[in-house]
Amino acid sequence: DAGVIQSPRHEVTEMGQEVTLRCKPISGHDYLFWYRQTMMRGLELLIYFNNNVPIDDSGMPEDRFSAKMPNASFSTLKIQPSEPRDSAVYFCASSLPAGGSNEQFFGPGTRLTVL
Amino acid sequence: KNQVEQSPQSLIILEGKNCTLQCNYTVSPFSNLRWYKQDTGRGPVSLTIMTFSENTKSNGRYTATLDADTKQSSLHITASQLSDSASYICVVSRGSRRSGGGADGLTFGKGTHLIIQP
Repeated sequence: DAGVIQSPRHEVTEMGQEVTLRCKPISGHDYLFWYRQTMMRGLELLIYFNNNVPIDDSGMPEDRFSAKMPNASFSTLKIQPSEPRDSAVYFCASSLPAGGSNEQFFGPGTRLTVL
Repeated sequence: KNQVEQSPQSLIILEGKNCTLQCNYTVSPFSNLRWYKQDTGRGPVSLTIMTFSENTKSNGRYTATLDADTKQSSLHITASQLSDSASYICVVSRGSRRSGGGADGLTFGKGTHLIIQP
């Protein structure tokens, strides 16, 4: 298995532009998570899905952020409009409902820079 | 409030030396504690998971301990290698009636940044 796949790996954009990050979870995993990581705050959970349905989006910073999961093999995280403070590494992770062991498998991340 | 505190924030040691990373938590009720290793430019990868009944668990040169009474965990690295340079993140899971892989009860530490010098 190729693991969790994210694209692009790097994104540089200007303030005000729309940014779309993409994720393909591991086949058979029915949980998908989006995280943001910065030096100051560490890993922060933004939103997670179970069987393509958003379960908890309380970590989404504001209305500029939105996430979708149209099918079991694809999810997007969109920022519109982007701001410099959104600069961070965004990780996607997936997991099985393995009786609470909660091991998440992370993708390589997308490094976002908003100028 | 559920919190996970890791120390030190960063650590530099010479290759071949041992080191211990600390994780203190206030998460309750406790379900399990997981240590992740995150190499530069990559996503975190699970090293080990500790449940309530486990005191010690080893994974090669990595040994994790858990004291559920004092709510402390440590990750000990023996005979460090250059490839051990990474961030180590402690994640504590809160016990819940809801089964499965949900993240409702996960609390992440900010990590310890470890540098191994030759």
